[in-house]
Order: sequence, then structure tokens, then C-alpha cells
Amino acid sequence: AQKITQTQPGMFVQEKEAVTLDCTYDTSDPSYGLFWYKQPSSGEMIFLIYQGSYDQQNATEGRYSLNFQKARKSANLVISASQLGDSAMYFCAMREGPRVEAAGNKLTFGGGTRVLVKP
Amino acid sequence: GAVVSQHPSWVICKSGTSVKIECRSLDFQATTMFWYRQFPKQSLMLMATSNEGSKATYEQGVEKDKFLINHASLTLSTLTVTSAHPEDSSFYICSARGTLKYSNQPQHFGDGTRLSIL
Repeated sequence: AQKITQTQPGMFVQEKEAVTLDCTYDTSDPSYGLFWYKQPSSGEMIFLIYQGSYDQQNATEGRYSLNFQKARKSANLVISASQLGDSAMYFCAMREGPRVEAAGNKLTFGGGTRVLVKP
Repeated sequence: GAVVSQHPSWVICKSGTSVKIECRSLDFQATTMFWYRQFPKQSLMLMATSNEGSKATYEQGVEKDKFLINHASLTLSTLTVTSAHPEDSSFYICSARGTLKYSNQPQHFGDGTRLSIL
């Protein structure tokens, strides 16, 4: 079974509107971290936001927020007020392991969602 | 600015040659570096984890003799694709983590290397 599932291969969003990117995960480890990365066509991976399994509040970073529903094992990314520069691939990723030891644990990536922002 | 530098960004070479890709952490010591491979329109697949001063840990299905990884210092890891063939053509990207213990520290990625084998 896949550990990280992104069910939306691609989506269009109108400029200035909000968009939600789905991510569900599968782990039996009580300690884990969830990350979202943006990959423009140039290829670099840009870190957007992080949510820890023990975090009580949903993470927010500027226009990015994470809708973390632990019981449902979902960590959806919400991008508010979409901009043309938001057009890119978006990857959800998970790191498993205890908080201290997680420093070296590998990331498992989902299949990605391509977002195209329309003017 | 970039905290992880990857070089070269683009390589085109003949089949049978070996290609070395460098990944450097610029302003922190990276005890662990990761090498990923990405095919067009696909996700990142972890190839191996390299720890400074020890042998790399390869993922299942990755040929150790084909993809040589060296992490000789806290700021440099190299991936050498030996005797490259057209099927090795791909986008290779590295990432690095520092010595911080906190799990919320993200991996910093290099800009990737597009490898094309003719």
C-alpha cells in the first residue's frame, strides 16, 4: 500500500481563488512529520509547510495552510489567493520516526498534483 | 539563497561514460544527504541515503555498483553514475539535513541535475 496518496493528478484554479490539494497518508508510527513541497517547471524543490503528528494546531505559513485531520490521516494543503506563480507540481511527503531520531529519516513522497493557475 | 548546491545542472554525454554529480551544503553541516531520481511527470524516488563517513544505504532495486555514492565530508556528497546508458537518463536531485535534532527541520534540496545519455 502506498504511504502517501495524492488523488488529484492535476487541477486548474482561477487566479485569486483558494485551492485545496489532497493528501492522505498511511503509517503505524505515532511519531511522524508531514511536509509539502512545490516544484516549478525548473525542477527545484521548495519547502512550503510542515505539520508534526503531535502538533495541536494546524500549520500556517503565509498563504499556505495545512488542514490536518489526524483521525482521517489526511493533511490537505490550502493555498489562498492563488497567484500565477503558484503554477507548479505540489508534493506531499512524510517522515516517520521519533521526534529526535527523525532528523535523519527519509522522506516518502506522494505522486504529486499539478496546479495551473488561470488568469 | 540556496543552501544546497548541486552541480552540474545539466549533463549530456555518450553511452558508456561515467558521470559525477556533486551535492554541497553551503552554510550548514549535512550529516545526512539523500539522492532521489525523478522521471518526467512522476514523483521523487529515493535512491539512497548517505551518511558522512560511512557507507550509503541503498533502497531496494537500486544498483550499488551502478550508482556510487560518496559522502566524504560534512558538506559534500557525490553520486557517480557508472557506465551510463540511455535508460539512466533522468532528473537526479539531492537533499541534505543538518545536525539539528528537530523533526520539523525540512530537507533542503539542490536544484537537480538533468542527465541525458545519448
